[in-house]
Amino acid sequence: AQRVTQPEKLLSVFKGAPVELKCNYSYSGSPELFWYVQYSRQRLQLLLRHISRESIKGFTADLNKGETSFHLKKPFAQEEDSAMYYCALSGDSGYALNFGKGTSLLVTP
Amino acid sequence: DAGVTQSPTHLIKTRGQQVTLRCSPKSGHDTVSWYQQALGQGPQFIFQYYEEEERQRGNFPDRFSGHQFPNYSSELNVNALLLGDSALYLCASSSSLAYEQYFGPGTRLTVT
Repeated sequence: AQRVTQPEKLLSVFKGAPVELKCNYSYSGSPELFWYVQYSRQRLQLLLRHISRESIKGFTADLNKGETSFHLKKPFAQEEDSAMYYCALSGDSGYALNFGKGTSLLVTP
Repeated sequence: DAGVTQSPTHLIKTRGQQVTLRCSPKSGHDTVSWYQQALGQGPQFIFQYYEEEERQRGNFPDRFSGHQFPNYSSELNVNALLLGDSALYLCASSSSLAYEQYFGPGTRLTVT
């Protein structure tokens, strides 16, 4: 069975501080992992995908198969990063996205 | 391109009634997925349509059904509504050639 766990419901950091949003998964095959973000009053949008290994808006995420983790990191948080962040997994079929419950990130000045 | 569009924005129904939600995919996309998002939860996969067929289904009862039209747009139907069906229903579209799914703004369904 697939499962995505985001242990923090809310994460509050100061502007300029590093931020790490945790994501752990369970899946027996080779997962496709994503981070989606939802800013206030906007639709859910793709932030990054592990296979592309890009850095989007300063965020990076590395897939650690040994620890079954895909944590999202940014070295210096900005106020505009305040949003709801969801980690999602897609299994071998590549169809359904299995989401975690999300972490609300609040960046305060 | 307006991206993924959904209608209506909000809907209020009575327990036992039936509801139909609509989705138009992003231009160039041929695959539509539906998700249910309860308050405080992440989206839960309902099903996915490709080539007018249900390709994969999540853990939802048969009261939830769908359809995809030749122009790739899709409908989600829910029969015999329960109070627990109150949620935000999200439509996502994708290309059959890529994993990335693009989400619509959602339809907020309230069952009273």
